[in-house]
Amino acid sequence: DAKTTQPPSMDCAEGRAANLPCNHSTISGNEYVYWYRQIHSQGPQYIIHGLKNNETNEMASLIITEDRKSSTLILPHATLRDTAVYYCIVRVGLGDYKLSFGAGTTVTVRA
Amino acid sequence: GAVVSQHPSWVICKSGTSVKIECRSLDFQATTMFWYRQFPKQSLMLMATSNEGSKATYEQGVEKDKFLINHASLTLSTLTVTSAHPEDSSFYICSAPLATGGNQPQHFGDGTRLSIL
Repeated sequence: DAKTTQPPSMDCAEGRAANLPCNHSTISGNEYVYWYRQIHSQGPQYIIHGLKNNETNEMASLIITEDRKSSTLILPHATLRDTAVYYCIVRVGLGDYKLSFGAGTTVTVRA
Repeated sequence: GAVVSQHPSWVICKSGTSVKIECRSLDFQATTMFWYRQFPKQSLMLMATSNEGSKATYEQGVEKDKFLINHASLTLSTLTVTSAHPEDSSFYICSAPLATGGNQPQHFGDGTRLSIL
């Protein structure tokens, strides 16, 4: 699976949008971009995933560049409960379900 | 609500004992489940893939005789840490894909914090 690069940490203000970048320049055509987050002392929580098109659900939006070499997770209105480690993972869509977690981005939402 | 349940959430035991952790899929069948381990301030590391009705597949460096995995039904996988020692103290997390089909997301349990004295 392609490797991803994320900033180690970022702060954002409560109520503002949080934009989390992820670089995956070696992504293959059949690899999906997944985002998970892990709140302290809990299991990871699925947020969103996409292949080529931008995606939106009740939690977040995922913007994937046209060349698919990078993506941005957008939390539209960050709350204190969004403080967590956010993981961007690239994985082949068929067959093997393994997920490889990198270091992620520690997001701290401040009041 | 939770779709993957882990039990227990916290366990403390003496060195040398064996500890069993359960991972259940709720309201769906999981032919495959995954077991991860996470040490403090580190990311999740995949330990093994649990396959219903067949042997688990272990990642490189994970001792299969130390970490016994049983996936006897479509909704339950167990991880047994045998003869646990303090260095086995960690946060153990399981996951399962919600459905077959390549691009389905995995859902994770809330983890089991294991402390060996």
